[in-house]
Amino acid sequence: GAGVSQSPRYKVAKRGQDVALRCDPISGHVSLFWYQQALGQGPEFLTYFQNEAQLDKSGLPSDRFFAERPEGSVSTLKIQRTQQEDSAVYLCASSSRVVLGKNIQYFGAGTRLSVL
Amino acid sequence: GENVEQHPSTLSVQEGDSAVIKCTYSDSASNYFPWYKQELGKRPQLIIDIRSNVGEKKDQRIAVTLNKTAKHFSLHITETQPEDSAVYFCAASTNRNDMRFGAGTRLTVKP
Repeated sequence: GAGVSQSPRYKVAKRGQDVALRCDPISGHVSLFWYQQALGQGPEFLTYFQNEAQLDKSGLPSDRFFAERPEGSVSTLKIQRTQQEDSAVYLCASSSRVVLGKNIQYFGAGTRLSVL
Repeated sequence: GENVEQHPSTLSVQEGDSAVIKCTYSDSASNYFPWYKQELGKRPQLIIDIRSNVGEKKDQRIAVTLNKTAKHFSLHITETQPEDSAVYFCAASTNRNDMRFGAGTRLTVKP
């Protein structure tokens, strides 16, 4: 597609429910990133893939968060046993290889997760 | 890891005035510094970026300056217009693709 696509746009979950958020990166983009953006804050890094390899997951806040990108394209961020503090917008971004020292990331519109 | 701090958190200017947003970073290996604009309910959009081998870059009304020694960089918007109103984020990244964002500046341009 023309840009990074995320689904669903909005998700309401009951506390304790599992959720799965999908990201379709720009075709051919090697790198894929997940961020968590709380209201009024900047995007906080969660995890990063290069093709299917998860190279950095240091930002995942707990073992309830899991991300995968099995074929090096579409990625899914899964949150198990959701809690109220998980409520945020989850942004996905993709980029091609670092070129001339640039790592330009293109963002999706995000999934707004509300945990009741 | 990298820590990016951004100031001010809110900024209000009169249409036509200039706006300056400042960021500092901690990782001396950071070599790429983009700025993103995020309008309410929309995705962050890249507006300008600078690499560490350049001290200043300008694109029409927007300019970015970088001081590697002091580890700070700034966004300058001249002749502000109401449509410039948004949240602006700075970020810093190394060759490890580990981009970290500032907390954002909410810019309001009053007509």
